[in-house]
Amino acid sequence: DAKTTQPNSMESNEEEPVHLPCNHSTISGTDYIHWYRQLPSQGPEYVIHGLTSNVNNRMASLAIAEDRKSSTLILHRATLRDAAVYYCILRDWVSSNTGKLIFGQGTTLQVKP
Amino acid sequence: EAQVTQNPRYLITVTGKKLTVTCSQNMNHEYMSWYRQDPGLGLRQIYYSMNVEVTDKGDVPEGYKVSRKEKRNFPLILESPSPNQTSLYFCASSGDLAGGNIQYFGAGTRLSVL
Repeated sequence: DAKTTQPNSMESNEEEPVHLPCNHSTISGTDYIHWYRQLPSQGPEYVIHGLTSNVNNRMASLAIAEDRKSSTLILHRATLRDAAVYYCILRDWVSSNTGKLIFGQGTTLQVKP
Repeated sequence: EAQVTQNPRYLITVTGKKLTVTCSQNMNHEYMSWYRQDPGLGLRQIYYSMNVEVTDKGDVPEGYKVSRKEKRNFPLILESPSPNQTSLYFCASSGDLAGGNIQYFGAGTRLSVL
């Protein structure tokens, strides 16, 4: 499985945008880029995913580099509730028949009031 | 509301006393899975199930059993718990395993084995 690299931690001020980077230089053509987050004392929660094009949903935006070797999760206006560990995960939809999501260490986002 | 429900949320037990952690989903999902989360090791898959009566081992299946008699339920069984199974456990479900599949997780079960 291709690996992802994320900063261990980031800080943001409330109501400001947050850009969470992820490097995946060994990504294959069949890997989808997924983002999940885990709030304190809760299970992981799906945020967004994409393959090649940038994606937007009600929670966030995902910007994917043209060569797909990196991506950025964008929270447009951080709130205190967005403080969580954010995981960037690659899923090979062709060969992955276990459904397993490989969670790395993620980025711990702290949001300051 | 679409959800994955785990019970109990917290459990303290002693070595060797059989226990079951239940997991139920209300989304008619075919795929279900169990993970354990440990500090420094992230989430690791224990077992998964593609559909009723179809289960298979994940990365860390030793000491665990599962069953899938109904689509909605996927219990995790520890026949003889040991202290190294003290962990935070998550159940997940998904409607399909295509590349863009979304997985839904339960709130977790924190298990302590003394």
